[in-house]
Amino acid sequence: QQQVKQSPQSLIVQKGGISIINCAYENTAFDYFPWYQQFPGKGPALLIAIRPDVSEKKEGRFTISFNKSAKQFSLHIMDSQPGDSATYFCAAGVQGAQKLVFGQGTRLTINP
Amino acid sequence: EPEVTQTPSHQVTQMGQEVILRCVPISNHLYFYWYRQILGQKVEFLVSFYNNEISEKSEIFDDQFSVERPDGSNFTLKIRSTKLEDSAMYFCASSEARRTGYTFGSGTRLTVV
Repeated sequence: QQQVKQSPQSLIVQKGGISIINCAYENTAFDYFPWYQQFPGKGPALLIAIRPDVSEKKEGRFTISFNKSAKQFSLHIMDSQPGDSATYFCAAGVQGAQKLVFGQGTRLTINP
Repeated sequence: EPEVTQTPSHQVTQMGQEVILRCVPISNHLYFYWYRQILGQKVEFLVSFYNNEISEKSEIFDDQFSVERPDGSNFTLKIRSTKLEDSAMYFCASSEARRTGYTFGSGTRLTVV
């Protein structure tokens, strides 16, 4: 199954709170899991990525948690700021292939 | 910071017309991609291009679509006979390595009327 299921579709978080976006997949051939941030009128921009041999990766306020046995991964944004308001996409890449499969996207709004 | 540049930013075309979407990838990148995003939906893979040939394509990328790297810097997507359902945002991307570290352009919004 070449799908990545992302939830929630939209999320509202207060400034300073933790934003959590979840993704799930079926295909065990996926071996690369990036997260992209997209502002209106712009292309997606790579935020952070993880490979399945690692359970967590942190870059600044952004953390990916990866659960290989559950085939799930999530993005945590700590101390969420209004400037984090954007659409976030998880994606997955198959070993040996060049394409990425994207999730449906989550529209995140951080209220001041 | 290096950018992927796409032109035009918005194109309106009549159904059945041919369109060419243009992209200038980052100069030292070797892998080139086209993705599309229908309004409010997920980003979908169309095609990847490496070493002057198509390396992978999706079922969306049928005979109406073609890609070219005509002069070593530009990377184009041609839609031969546009349909209403081709209306979408088309993103070009490039990467140094296969599938990792993509840089996307800002996209071309194609409207077919």
